[in-house]
Amino acid sequence: DTAVSQTPKYLVTQMGNDKSIKCEQNLGHDTMYWYKQDSKKFLKIMFSYNNKELIINETVPNRFSPKSPDKAHLNLHINSLELGDSAVYFCASSQGGQGSYEQYFGPGTRLTVT
Amino acid sequence: AQSVTQLGSHVSVSEGALVLLRCNYSSSVPPYLFWYVQYPNQGLQLLLKYTSAATLVKGINGFEAEFKKSETSFHLTKPSAHMSDAAEYFCAVSDLDQTGANNLFFGTGTRLTVIP
Repeated sequence: DTAVSQTPKYLVTQMGNDKSIKCEQNLGHDTMYWYKQDSKKFLKIMFSYNNKELIINETVPNRFSPKSPDKAHLNLHINSLELGDSAVYFCASSQGGQGSYEQYFGPGTRLTVT
Repeated sequence: AQSVTQLGSHVSVSEGALVLLRCNYSSSVPPYLFWYVQYPNQGLQLLLKYTSAATLVKGINGFEAEFKKSETSFHLTKPSAHMSDAAEYFCAVSDLDQTGANNLFFGTGTRLTVIP
């Protein structure tokens, strides 16, 4: 069974559109995250979500909004897509919010904005 | 804030040779450190982690890393490279910010190429 899954794996869309990426974890973890990996492979935290508390990286545009229907899901919704949003987006989860807990990553969603 | 620096964006080794990937951290408190591997078109997989227990940490696939406080380093090694080790490797440090959130801050990655 896949621990952290994301859909879709590939997403190609045009500028100005709104899209969502879904993430589900079956590990029973309390904390979930979204990361963005740019074309140079640099990974940057976008959001962390723990017990319904959302921690937002202040550099993330407000066009990005995470939505968590329950503890096992953290979806990423993006409004008014821009060319610069093209990247690979990774969802992750961890057992808790403490620093010693490793994070488990999904396979990624490659978003291409044309 | 804590951070990590990976020296060398590309490392090439011959099959069977020693693998050494370098990571230095910057932290004012004892850090939690991680090494992740990313195979092409896949997500990140944890290789090993340091959480202030033993300074020599053994991970999966024959990798290990040694935490050296005096050198602020956490280099990743493997005695003998296999072709299947070719991948991107990321060092990361966990930073508990003022809200108590655990965020991973990654280095810029090192691409390992294994030459037959």
